[in-house]
Amino acid sequence: EAGVTQSPTHLIKTRGQQATLRCSPISGHTSVYWYQQALGLGLQFLLWYDEGEERNRGNFPPRFSGRQFPNYSSELNVNALELEDSALYLCASSFTGVSLGNEQFFGPGTRLTVL
Amino acid sequence: GQQLNQSPQSMFIQEGEDVSMNCTSSSIFNTWLWYKQDPGEGPVLLIALYKAGELTSNGRLTAQFGITRKDSFLNISASIPSDVGIYFCAGPPGAAGNKLTFGGGTRVLVKP
Repeated sequence: EAGVTQSPTHLIKTRGQQATLRCSPISGHTSVYWYQQALGLGLQFLLWYDEGEERNRGNFPPRFSGRQFPNYSSELNVNALELEDSALYLCASSFTGVSLGNEQFFGPGTRLTVL
Repeated sequence: GQQLNQSPQSMFIQEGEDVSMNCTSSSIFNTWLWYKQDPGEGPVLLIALYKAGELTSNGRLTAQFGITRKDSFLNISASIPSDVGIYFCAGPPGAAGNKLTFGGGTRVLVKP
């Protein structure tokens, strides 16, 4: 069974541009999560989508946004890119439900570099 | 906000050694998760703990959910070179539902 997939693997942008990152969850999972992992740091929660709705949001500015499609895949959009947005962006998926949703499975990540 | 403190921040292992790391929080967690991340990859779930006092093994890995629900530890027995990586504890604090808080990680390196 395929795991969580993310594209692209690497993305290079310049300040002020927009970046779009994509994620496909494990088949059967309806929840998708986005995390930011800056170099040498831990994972910071960005967004949680379930059944097409944004369910929770981390402490990030509004220029970080996303959506979940009817097939449960998801996009993360980062507008007006800043240098400090350079990081590994990780997508995870899980079944719906508080206890079931605790086991989140991660994709390989998209490395975003802002020049 | 909620924070998980992991220690040690880094450690050197020698093949065959047993190693231990732990994670503490100032608030109660209802679930503890342990992940391992290799360079350039996403974290892989190793063990999930759901009950206070629970002790769970996965091969050479053993993790325990602390009785106070504010801590957890992970042991690796008879370490091998592929155990190198970063180990993260994580959990959904209190009523945060599906949002996971991650510890800062324990970097496991091989003794030169």
